[in-house]
Amino acid sequence: KAGVTQTPRYLIKTRGQQVTLSCSPISGHRSVSWYQQTPGQGLQFLFEYFSETQRNKGNFPGRFSGRQFSNSRSEMNVSTLELGDSALYLCASSDPRGDRAYEQYFGPGTRLTVT
Amino acid sequence: GQQVMQIPQYQHVQEGEDFTTYCNSSTTLSNIQWYKQRPGGHPVFLIQLVKSGEVKKQKRLTFQFGEAKKNSSLHITATQTTDVGTYFCAGPEIYNQGGKLIFGQGTELSVKP
Repeated sequence: KAGVTQTPRYLIKTRGQQVTLSCSPISGHRSVSWYQQTPGQGLQFLFEYFSETQRNKGNFPGRFSGRQFSNSRSEMNVSTLELGDSALYLCASSDPRGDRAYEQYFGPGTRLTVT
Repeated sequence: GQQVMQIPQYQHVQEGEDFTTYCNSSTTLSNIQWYKQRPGGHPVFLIQLVKSGEVKKQKRLTFQFGEAKKNSSLHITATQTTDVGTYFCAGPEIYNQGGKLIFGQGTELSVKP
């Protein structure tokens, strides 16, 4: 099976702009989670989508939003970018069935730089 | 809130030496997972432990889940340069029905040849 793909891989934006990141999960995986990774804060959970519904949400401001489509592809959006939003944004998919429900398969990430 | 803590934050070893990282949760976990992230890469799933006291091995890597299901360890025997990277443990958020994982801060391993 093909792995999780994320686009774009690198992005440079200016403060105040907005950005949309895309994630295509492993075929058959209906759960998609998003994480923000920074050197200081580590891996922070943003949100999880399952069957086009947000199932979980982390402690991030409302500027961070996401959605999932019927084919399980997901997008996350960050509006009014701040310098502190510079990070690696990772998407992870999982098959929420059975005893492997929590295993996360990560994509390569999108490196966002806000200037 | 629920926390997962890992120690040490960094570990520098000579090739051939052993390495251990420890993970402690503030709450009892239904399972614990381990991931490895190579420099410049993304986290890669290594293993999941579910049972109290469970021990699993993958070649030179030994994973253990504590009896109380609140701690875990990863031990690497005779490290190699290919072991370089950051090792994360993660557990599901308590009472959460979905896939929300709480990650430890990770242990960065460097191996000197």
